[in-house]
Amino acid sequence: ETGVTQTPRHLVMGMTNKKSLKCEQHLGHNAMYWYKQSAKKPLELMFVYNFKEQTENNSVPSRFSPECPNSSHLFLHLHTLQPEDSALYLCASSREQSSYEQYFGPGTRLTVT
Amino acid sequence: ILNVEQSPQSLHVQEGDSTNFTCSFPSSNFYALHWYRWETAKSPEALFVMTLNGDEKKKGRISATLNTKEGYSYLYIKGSQPEDSATYLCAFPSNNNDMRFGAGTRLTVKP
Repeated sequence: ETGVTQTPRHLVMGMTNKKSLKCEQHLGHNAMYWYKQSAKKPLELMFVYNFKEQTENNSVPSRFSPECPNSSHLFLHLHTLQPEDSALYLCASSREQSSYEQYFGPGTRLTVT
Repeated sequence: ILNVEQSPQSLHVQEGDSTNFTCSFPSSNFYALHWYRWETAKSPEALFVMTLNGDEKKKGRISATLNTKEGYSYLYIKGSQPEDSATYLCAFPSNNNDMRFGAGTRLTVKP
């Protein structure tokens, strides 16, 4: 247990569906992250929130919409996804950005049909 | 080097062997260098965060060194055990907001 939980662990959705991924951390951290792990590619940073403010958006398509209502919770809202969006989505948190180690959740395995 | 590069891509060693692998990163605008271990069916787990040139960190049989001037870090495992089998990732904040991961070195330790 890393102190970072993610739900659901597995998700299958059609291209017209809307779904949300949830991440929660119980570590008192101030930074939270969404990463995407596609097959045979390095981990890709999607979004960063620091003190609930979004500080990075790595040119992620608008069909992915993050939300950080407080420093303990992070959501990733999904709508009209494409099959190539199928991947493992990992959430992480750290005390602050960059120079502090990140704690990762177990991930959500997403399949878009 | 604009991205983070790791070598080798994969490594097979016998139990008891010592091994090492490399992470190369841009040497300008250095903030920190992270090492993570990612075991199958688990979450990535932080090993080290290194910030100073010449830094050397150790955790049990695993150690890491850092050269920020030439842009590389080595991870060493002494006396590899089967439980060390995992993918070892390094990550580099390219500015104070971004984090770039290497593709990883997949280590398999045979009993």
